[in-house]
Amino acid sequence: GAGVSQSPSNKVTEKGKDVELRCDPISGHTALYWYRQSLGQGLEFLIYFQGNSAPDKSGLPSDRFSAERTGGSVSTLTIQRTQQEDSAVYLCASSLVPGELFFGEGSRLTVL
Amino acid sequence: AQSVTQLDSHVSVSEGTPVLLRCNYSSSYSPSLFWYVQHPNKGLQLLLKYTSAATLVKGINGFEAEFKKSETSFHLTKPSAHMSDAAEYFCVQSSGGYQKVTFGTGTKLQVIP
Repeated sequence: GAGVSQSPSNKVTEKGKDVELRCDPISGHTALYWYRQSLGQGLEFLIYFQGNSAPDKSGLPSDRFSAERTGGSVSTLTIQRTQQEDSAVYLCASSLVPGELFFGEGSRLTVL
Repeated sequence: AQSVTQLDSHVSVSEGTPVLLRCNYSSSYSPSLFWYVQHPNKGLQLLLKYTSAATLVKGINGFEAEFKKSETSFHLTKPSAHMSDAAEYFCVQSSGGYQKVTFGTGTKLQVIP
């Protein structure tokens, strides 16, 4: 498909388990963003990748969160030792023009 | 630091009446401004963008926004609300390249039949 693809769309896990969320951006988009959206909240910036530059990790809430982007394309957001407060929708977006972001439909994470 | 303020967290209008969603930005540079819409359980979709061309910007689904530098505003309007417009709307500012993308806190639009 031509859009941003995220998987899984829904993930239910137990507290303490690790999870991986995947984002497949639009081909050719050099910038990739991860955001978190908790129930009733706005978007919380997590991390940003731009080409081969070092990522901007300033939004990651703790060292349990990490992300990588392989080959300038697919990105994986990993949450270790999940906590209940990690429950949220995790949104990925890619961009070719600054500010013009194309979003995936999100991965809904529920930590029991 | 740049910031985006959406003045209303919730707006309720009757179907067929005008919509006004307010947004103020703050930036030292000439910004690029965007409005995004998020329907329930969906990702965000670009509605329209301002990038220093015409100050009145037309977007999808009949929405418009006007850039007013003197007021540092970029309010979103639509002459006549439709039930399908019920969603959350985000005002976004981009300055200084990819990295500086700032989202407002969102406005939930309710359309009453």
